[in-house]
Amino acid sequence: EVQLVESGGGLVKPGGSLRLSCAASGFTFSNAWMTWVRQAPGKGLEWVGRIKSKADGGTTDYAAPVKGKFSISRDDSKNTLYLQMNSLKTEDTAVYYCATCAHGVCYMDKPFDYWGQGTLVTVSS
Amino acid sequence: QSVLTQPPSVSGAPGQRVTISCTGSSSNIGAGYDVQWYQQLPGTAPKLLIYGVSNRPSGVPDRFSGSKSGTSASLAITGLQAEDEADYYCQSYDSSLSGSVFGGGTKLTVL
Repeated sequence: EVQLVESGGGLVKPGGSLRLSCAASGFTFSNAWMTWVRQAPGKGLEWVGRIKSKADGGTTDYAAPVKGKFSISRDDSKNTLYLQMNSLKTEDTAVYYCATCAHGVCYMDKPFDYWGQGTLVTVSS
Repeated sequence: QSVLTQPPSVSGAPGQRVTISCTGSSSNIGAGYDVQWYQQLPGTAPKLLIYGVSNRPSGVPDRFSGSKSGTSASLAITGLQAEDEADYYCQSYDSSLSGSVFGGGTKLTVL
């Protein structure tokens, strides 16, 4: 059974940093392209970015609002995905979900079959 | 403002049919990119409902169906049930933004 478990959320002051983790199990993590999606309180879903598998180059892509301040990485030895968030603003307050697709290679118009339960990040002074 | 536009809310009585539209443009749905639909119950993660415009994952009832025409996609729900009350999101890719995009979401109320 595929499981994605996010952690690392919490309260952080504006301008601060936070690193989220997503522990994966039930599939071959090293082959999977992984994605982060966020949802501000009472708002819709927003794609944050994705990382390809190392075999496919390990490259990252980001949404414009987070480019340059968020960084996605992975540790295949730990089956864990990360989201490093810097220069946080109040508008970054959201539940952050990690997600992946059933076939590993997640082109951006393909479905996110599996989602974690999310972790809440609150940016407030 | 979402690149994919959905109505904020729709409603219907039990047993009725409702449709939710997702209007895009020539850089996303109109360019032939796949469209997905997700159902999100309160306090839970989104669940994949429809993929590749009109395909249902295993376990999704055939009361849910998807279609696409031009720059728009639609989700239809027939035989509406109380448990269908949820938020629904469409998703695709936008070549101008070079990223996945979601609709703003539609809240379905079962009267």
